[in-house]
Amino acid sequence: EVQLVESGGGLVQPGGSLRLSCAASGYTFTSYWIQWVRQAPGKGLAWVSQINIDGTGTAYADSVKGRFTLSRDNTKNTVYLQMNSLRGEDTAVYYCARSVAGEGIDYWGQGTLVSVSS
Amino acid sequence: QAVVTQPSSLSASPGASASLTCILRSGFNVDTYRIYWYQQKPGSPPQYLLRYKSDSDKQQGSGVPSRFSGSKDASANAGILLISGLQSEDEADYYCMIWHRSAWVFGGGTKLTVL
Repeated sequence: EVQLVESGGGLVQPGGSLRLSCAASGYTFTSYWIQWVRQAPGKGLAWVSQINIDGTGTAYADSVKGRFTLSRDNTKNTVYLQMNSLRGEDTAVYYCARSVAGEGIDYWGQGTLVSVSS
Repeated sequence: QAVVTQPSSLSASPGASASLTCILRSGFNVDTYRIYWYQQKPGSPPQYLLRYKSDSDKQQGSGVPSRFSGSKDASANAGILLISGLQSEDEADYYCMIWHRSAWVFGGGTKLTVL
């Protein structure tokens, strides 16, 4: 069974940092890219970032570019989203998801809530 | 102006069909895009339904019933998710997604009410 389990969410002050993790299991981790998508409370989905199978290629939404960094450890089947200089508008449920190269998302994790507030 | 636009809501009766649209902004030809569709129920993550570019380039999500299907309306420059034989369990938010200028872009979502 495919599983993507996010962790690391929580309450952080504006300007602070947080690192989210996404632990994958039940499939060949190195065959899939990993995506992060967020959903602000009561709002729609917004793509955040993606990383390719060996971690050499990443892409970011303009709204997080320069503040968020995505990496992966293929020995641990885990992806990390380092989030710095957090703002109130970063408050959202963050979903980890997988995709095949050149394709869209076919499986999503359950999400982890990030709240940015003083 | 957003690249992809979805009607915010749609209502339909059980047993009927519902056509959900994903409209591309003028200047971007829907024929060139693969359109992905996702269903999200309250308190749950989205689930992949299907991908549609053309009848020769389409994919149904694993376990997704055949009453969910994709198509395009070139005259409206739109992708379409057709749900036939509506059931109460189909009541959910539906999102389309495209790959556009090196980023994944979601539509704003359509809330489908089955009543």
